[in-house]
Amino acid sequence: QKEVEQDPGPLSVPEGAIVSLNCTYSNSAFQYFMWYRQYSRKGPELLMYTYSSGNKEDGRFTAQVDKSSKYISLFIRDSQPSDSATYLCAIGPGNTPLVFGKGTRLSVIA
Amino acid sequence: GAVVSQHPSWVICKSGTSVKIECRSLDFQATTMFWYRQFPKQSLMLMATSNEGSKATYEQGVEKDKFLINHASLTLSTLTVTSAHPEDSSFYICSAYGTPSNTQYFGPGTRLTVL
Repeated sequence: QKEVEQDPGPLSVPEGAIVSLNCTYSNSAFQYFMWYRQYSRKGPELLMYTYSSGNKEDGRFTAQVDKSSKYISLFIRDSQPSDSATYLCAIGPGNTPLVFGKGTRLSVIA
Repeated sequence: GAVVSQHPSWVICKSGTSVKIECRSLDFQATTMFWYRQFPKQSLMLMATSNEGSKATYEQGVEKDKFLINHASLTLSTLTVTSAHPEDSSFYICSAYGTPSNTQYFGPGTRLTVL
């Protein structure tokens, strides 16, 4: 079983839709959970960073962590064409190599 | 969020030459830096982890004599690709970890093309 499982997509949604991206992980010792967005030919950009369980909201983005289910989610509200990118979940702590999901390719169609 | 820069963003070199890529944390002190390579439409592949003032730890299969990593200060790490060959052509990305962020921030990446 891989440490982090993420559906690679591709996922295509119309502009304005709510997008749900998910990852599951196997190691219950993980405490730090991150979502990165990567545009083509660019480095990953940190979107959300959560410690332990719970929700965190930043503008149109909401990250959820359910440690009991080993399940993390990223929700994007009112999706825009500029949100089209690959989204990577990652699990830490950050001072050690992160464990990444394979990334989900998202296309938001205008 | 914190800012990490890379230089150059794009480099073309001849086979057999060496290329140095710089990674800088601009607004925080990076105690640990990581180097990745990424092929088109593939996942990030960790090459090595470097802690400031220490030798880098390389992932299995990564030639440490070919990919020289130096992390001499809390704001700068360098990756030198020695005697580059066409198969070394790739997208190289660094990330940096440091307090108080407790997470990793990535640089914009360097595209290396070896002719």
